[in-house]
Amino acid sequence: DQQVKQNSPSLSVQEGRISILNCDYTNSMFDYFLWYKKYPAEGPTFLISISSIKDKNEDGRFTVFLNKSAKHLSLHIVPSQPGDSAVYFCAASGPNTGNQFYFGTGTSLTVIP
Amino acid sequence: DAGITQSPRHKVTETGTPVTLRCHQTENHRYMYWYRQDPGHGLRLIHYSYGVKDTDKGEVSDGYSVSRSKTEDFLLTLESATSSQTSVYFCAISDLNTEAFFGQGTRLTVV
Repeated sequence: DQQVKQNSPSLSVQEGRISILNCDYTNSMFDYFLWYKKYPAEGPTFLISISSIKDKNEDGRFTVFLNKSAKHLSLHIVPSQPGDSAVYFCAASGPNTGNQFYFGTGTSLTVIP
Repeated sequence: DAGITQSPRHKVTETGTPVTLRCHQTENHRYMYWYRQDPGHGLRLIHYSYGVKDTDKGEVSDGYSVSRSKTEDFLLTLESATSSQTSVYFCAISDLNTEAFFGQGTRLTVV
């Protein structure tokens, strides 16, 4: 059973606009959430994280929002740039996971110049 | 970039042959992981290690074994490769409650 879900396989956004990528999880014990970015033929690279004691974390153009009651997190990219075109994975971990990270299936973002 | 190296980067092998993939880190991180990435499935955990000689299964461990005899090395072995194990394999490292860093990946094709 997929504990972390990304229901949108792809997303297209105009350059300069906001990109919003969504992620849902089922395990209420998860308390640490991460977003990764992956270019073709490269390994995933860490982008931003949030712990369950917060509901928002910002890093430059990237903001992650966490809604614990809805078991939902989202990544906002503002403004979107063509170099942001990549596959984005959300991941989750928790005290009962043995430091394992559970990943979603990914969303392919295309930023159109 | 975190000091993590996977070898080989590409491999083609025949069905039924054994294959070993190597992950080497220079960061002295406690945790090491092997994931596979397949279309429609994202990243799925095969096995992970929480210390030297301490390993555990992930969600897709059938047909795979691992060993960690030194902090810096984590080996993934396919005892008898099958076509369903054609995939891209990623090694990752982390410390407790911190983000994981990934290697560049190994593309394995089983023919």
